[in-house]
Amino acid sequence: AQTVTQSQPEMSVQEAETVTLSCTYDTSESDYYLFWYKQPPSRQMILVIRQEAYKQQNATENRFSVNFQKAAKSFSLKISDSQLGDAAMYFCAYRPRRGGADGLTFGKGTHLIIQP
Amino acid sequence: NAGVMQNPRHLVRRRGQEARLRCSPMKGHSHVYWYRQLPEEGLKFMVYLQKENIIDESGMPKERFSAEFPKEGPSILRIQQVVRGDSAAYFCASSPSRGHEQFFGPGTRLTVL
Repeated sequence: AQTVTQSQPEMSVQEAETVTLSCTYDTSESDYYLFWYKQPPSRQMILVIRQEAYKQQNATENRFSVNFQKAAKSFSLKISDSQLGDAAMYFCAYRPRRGGADGLTFGKGTHLIIQP
Repeated sequence: NAGVMQNPRHLVRRRGQEARLRCSPMKGHSHVYWYRQLPEEGLKFMVYLQKENIIDESGMPKERFSAEFPKEGPSILRIQQVVRGDSAAYFCASSPSRGHEQFFGPGTRLTVL
């Protein structure tokens, strides 16, 4: 069974600084997707960034980028120039590419605090 | 283009009652997924449906829980004889096809007294 582990229950960063959130996963699959979702106090799940395992290039979306290390099964999220609106729970998620495994597997989340 | 709609946003039930949670997917989406989020936890996959078919219910509790996605109307997650442990946020997601990105609704927070 696949598992996703987020070892940092809470992280704090000064506004405008850079922060990295960690995520590791366990799978026997070779082709899969990895995601970072943001859940602000409104509880809406918002997709931040997505990585396809067969792509070696790390995904980037504006201030958000990932460090994908497939051999180490590591998928960290870097947030540059942190803003107050980045404060939220962040969840790492995994899904195999093959059919028949449609549900996302989530980690327990990291609570990100932005200090002004 | 409206996003995924869920209602009600908040639902309070007493132990033993039934809870019905509704999910209207995004326009053009015919694939629906239900997840449950317990306090201080990540989301856990429950069930995946297409119109009129349950495709994967590997995450559904064996008793009291059922889901449907009829040809017309929203998808329904039904919990019979609720217990306090059912208190959680229930999220619905939809996608236009299998394997495509899932778009989440705002969730329904169920409280069982």
